[in-house]
Amino acid sequence: RKEVEQDPGPFNVPEGATVAFNCTYSNSASQSFFWYRQDCRKEPKLLMSVYSSGNEDGRFTAQLNRASQYISLLIRDSKLSDSATYLCVVSLSGGSYIPTFGRGTSLIVHP
Amino acid sequence: DGGITQSPKYLFRKEGQNVTLSCEQNLNHDAMYWYRQDPGQGLRLIYYSQIVNDFQKGDIAEGYSVSREKKESFPLTVTSAQKNPTAFYLCASSELNTEAFFGQGTRLTVV
Repeated sequence: RKEVEQDPGPFNVPEGATVAFNCTYSNSASQSFFWYRQDCRKEPKLLMSVYSSGNEDGRFTAQLNRASQYISLLIRDSKLSDSATYLCVVSLSGGSYIPTFGRGTSLIVHP
Repeated sequence: DGGITQSPKYLFRKEGQNVTLSCEQNLNHDAMYWYRQDPGQGLRLIYYSQIVNDFQKGDIAEGYSVSREKKESFPLTVTSAQKNPTAFYLCASSELNTEAFFGQGTRLTVV
């Protein structure tokens, strides 16, 4: 079983739609969680951190479910510019922190 | 500006040749990482370093070597032992247990 798993998609949605991605992780000791965005042929960039209480940043909401070992990303009112690959990142705490990436979920927003 | 600089952006390697990819950061981060990304795939960890003069193998270290003589520098050498080196190489840095920041990447092609 892979450490971090994501549905690769693509998710093909119209502008204005709400779309949600899930990501599961295998190591219950994981402590830090992030969502990154990667545009075609570019480096990943941090979209948002994921906190136990959940967090929201504009149209983006991230949730963490420790019991079921998954994190989610909800995008409301999708824009054409949201088209990208969304990467889930999980890491352990303390001295063994190593960011482990899922393979990414592709989102295509069409007019 | 603070950030991570990778060079070159594009690199062409002949069969049997060693090449070195540069990664420099001025964020004063302790940890640095090298990842490889193949088309349509996620990021796979090659090597990481959490302190100067120390580094550890990642999941796909065979055919690669690194050094960490200075805090701000973490060069990656792709040796002739790496049989399929064509890929997008990403360097990142972070404080321990916080989000990672990426350089713009190096695209390596074997010719």
